[in-house]
Amino acid sequence: QVQLVQSGAEVKKPGASVKVSCKASGYTFTSYYMHWVRQAPGQGLEWMGIINPSGGSTNYAQKFQGRVTMTRDTSASTVYMELSSLRSEDTAMYYCARYTAARGYDYWGQGTLVTVSS
Amino acid sequence: DIQMTQSPSTLSASVGDRVTITCRASQSISIWLAWYQQKPGKAPKLLIYKASSLESGVPSRFSGSGSGTEFTLTISSLQPDDFATYYCQQYNSYPWTFGQGTKVEIK
Repeated sequence: QVQLVQSGAEVKKPGASVKVSCKASGYTFTSYYMHWVRQAPGQGLEWMGIINPSGGSTNYAQKFQGRVTMTRDTSASTVYMELSSLRSEDTAMYYCARYTAARGYDYWGQGTLVTVSS
Repeated sequence: DIQMTQSPSTLSASVGDRVTITCRASQSISIWLAWYQQKPGKAPKLLIYKASSLESGVPSRFSGSGSGTEFTLTISSLQPDDFATYYCQQYNSYPWTFGQGTKVEIK
């Protein structure tokens, strides 16, 4: 069965970076784009960007340009999202989500809570 | 960026009620709209894609309609498991954007 398993919760200080992983299993890793979506406490969903696990190409939301880097390791069936220059407003649950063509996000990771606090 | 506006923000309803949530796009997105249900502490769950296609395993009381800029999600007979927050999302063009959410509460 398809599973997306994310890395554990992180606590970071302002100005630091965080790297969240999302390990995929149960399907052909390179056949589906992966997106990252975040959700601040009590708030709505915010799209961060997309990575093509096959070629590694990315597309980031303008809001995160220059601070976010999405990468993948095909040998480990894992995608990564690194966010730098963290500030308190980056405190959120970060989700990876598999995109199936024309359908939307059919599978989600369990979420990784990133807390930014001095 | 395409803005997605949901209404209402909060909806109070009883079990058995027919419930309708509206999502408006700031420009045409054709049929590239999905609806998600999210419960507290859980990841969102896909309900509807391409505006009106029901995701596999989702009860038939959920339905979606619309195209262009106006879309609706309808729950024909609200069940206890349906009390949650619902989000629309456009995937017509980057950046993909979500509505602000509609919380369906018990009346």
